[in-house]
Amino acid sequence: AQSVSQHNHHVILSEAASLELGCNYSYGGTVNLFWYVQYPGQHLQLLLKYFSGDPLVKGIKGFEAEFIKSKFSFNLRKPSVQWSDTAEYFCAVNTNAGKSTFGDGTTLTVKP
Amino acid sequence: DAGVIQSPRHEVTEMGQEVTLRCKPISGHDYLFWYRQTMMRGLELLIYFNNNVPIDDSGMPEDRFSAKMPNASFSTLKIQPSEPRDSAVYFCASSQSVDRNYGYTFGSGTRLTVV
Repeated sequence: AQSVSQHNHHVILSEAASLELGCNYSYGGTVNLFWYVQYPGQHLQLLLKYFSGDPLVKGIKGFEAEFIKSKFSFNLRKPSVQWSDTAEYFCAVNTNAGKSTFGDGTTLTVKP
Repeated sequence: DAGVIQSPRHEVTEMGQEVTLRCKPISGHDYLFWYRQTMMRGLELLIYFNNNVPIDDSGMPEDRFSAKMPNASFSTLKIQPSEPRDSAVYFCASSQSVDRNYGYTFGSGTRLTVV
């Protein structure tokens, strides 16, 4: 069975700092990869997704993620974070089946 | 589309009472998922359906929990009898397998408090 690891449980940054959240998965076959964001008190929302093609995927609100197949990674990045980016971020992997496997989430706190 | 619709948004009930949570997935989505989220245990998959058929209910905590999907546009999660440890936010999500578009759309959740 596939698994997803998000190594950073809690990240604290100041506004304008650069962000990189790690995500590694364990599965040797074809994968579809996702990042979801959950703002305080809200539900999870899809931030970006990768199916095939260009391994650098751009999502909403200036986020991007890079799929590195050799490293089984799909790290999330943003050049300059804002206070409004404070949220919990979940990485998920889907192996062409209905169910996705989610990581445990990374809480990002951006200090104004 | 109105998205995934869950009701009620908040539910406060006494221990021992029956609780029914409702979900309307996005039209055309063939997968439906029920998740529970707490601070202690994080996001847990309880059960999921494909074309209204339960595929995996291994995440259902115990016999007190049951879920049904009588048709493509409606699902329920029932807890009977409820206990304080069931207090959590319950999310419903749906997705579609067409074109490998497996991204989930989550509902706004039901915050359940059992006192």
